[in-house]
Amino acid sequence: GAVVSQHPSWVICKSGTSVKIECRSLDFQATTMFWYRQFPKQSLMLMATSNEGSKATYEQGVEKDKFLINHASLTLSTLTVTSAHPEDSSFYICSPQGYLGTEAFFGQGTRLTVV
Amino acid sequence: QKEVEQNSGPLSVPEGAIASLNCTYSDRGSQSFFWYRQYSGKSPELIMFIYSNGDKEDGRFTAQLNKASQYVSLLIRDSQPSDSATYLCAVPGGGTSYGKLTFGQGTILTVHP
Repeated sequence: GAVVSQHPSWVICKSGTSVKIECRSLDFQATTMFWYRQFPKQSLMLMATSNEGSKATYEQGVEKDKFLINHASLTLSTLTVTSAHPEDSSFYICSPQGYLGTEAFFGQGTRLTVV
Repeated sequence: QKEVEQNSGPLSVPEGAIASLNCTYSDRGSQSFFWYRQYSGKSPELIMFIYSNGDKEDGRFTAQLNKASQYVSLLIRDSQPSDSATYLCAVPGGGTSYGKLTFGQGTILTVHP
């Protein structure tokens, strides 16, 4: 399977601050990046889809000005949670998709806790 | 919009038994299906991928797909305590959005010694 590196694996931040999460595809070119989040005891929910060099498309109910996604290269995408609040505490997971798009791969996930 | 339904469980089976996990989906046009296992605090890991009607076996795991009934299941034979996890059924998006997954709620499986 593909090698995906996501970090940090966990982060604790104060309410009102911003947090950046990085996702790298190490052995293939990620033309598309999916960002999911998972609240406790719930399943993964897609937040947004980004294509390299384009603006991200956000799912209904996800604030695009709060969750900034940058996908400037085929190997790196970042998700920045701006002005984080306790309700943003969740498990964030990236999933890059390459040209062939035959399988979904996941980063290790980032546990965000906002205090 | 695709919908994927699973029994959330929890499902508890004794070690060595067969665990049966079920999933139904709403989009009759869905062609393929994934089963993922997720340990607490970890990302999902792929267990099985199936796209043809019938059974697909891989070690202790068997996926069963019935497109007419819009039903896909996962059987785990000789269950082990290490199989205790949440199992997620997922349906991929179409075309170039193959990696865009719609997940079921997940079924929590506990295998007790």
